Amino acid sequence: GAGVSQSPRYKVAKRGQDVALRCDPISGHVSLFWYQQALGQGPEFLTYFQNEAQLDKSGLPSDRFFAERPEGSVSTLKIQRTQQEDSAVYLCASSLAQGIYEQYFGPGTRLTVT
Amino acid sequence: AQRVTQPEKLLSVFKGAPVELKCNYSYSGSPELFWYVQYSRQRLQLLLRHISRESIKGFTADLNKGETSFHLKKPFAQEEDSAMYYCAESLSGTYKYIFGTGTRLKVLA
Repeated sequence: GAGVSQSPRYKVAKRGQDVALRCDPISGHVSLFWYQQALGQGPEFLTYFQNEAQLDKSGLPSDRFFAERPEGSVSTLKIQRTQQEDSAVYLCASSLAQGIYEQYFGPGTRLTVT
Repeated sequence: AQRVTQPEKLLSVFKGAPVELKCNYSYSGSPELFWYVQYSRQRLQLLLRHISRESIKGFTADLNKGETSFHLKKPFAQEEDSAMYYCAESLSGTYKYIFGTGTRLKVLA
């Protein structure tokens, strides 16, 4: 079946612009995660959804970052007033259920803020 | 704070040589440890997890609680093993992964 998909794959934004990054998880996967991966670093946890409920947003770096999953499927990560330090690859992952299940990753969206 | 350390950014070995990718974790409880791999132009994917104690593509990893390590090993490296390897930890019973900074493995012909 289809894996996790993300769009766009690449995004260039001017500093101060708002961006929206989309994630389509594997159908039927309850859990959805967003990670930020800066150059040369490992992925860092941003936020977690169980169905439509955002249960953990402790990793969001500032209030300019907002994520939603209104119908418990597709998720959007929005970054307002982008800054250069927001440049990174944003990864989405989904897993079958809550708990220690394998997380399946999408290809990522590479965001470059100029 | 919980931390996963991968001391080597780059590891180069010749084909057929043994490989060991180092990983140390900081959580003192009962961690869940994983190795994820990212081949060129592919997405991050699970290689193995310690609870399953399995060998995938010839790789094994043993959890050493005394040394808080979870090193990844393979006795004979293959060129197709060249990739980026990330060690990850989650607290027992939770979903949140803490990733290391990764080690790039290059297997030379």
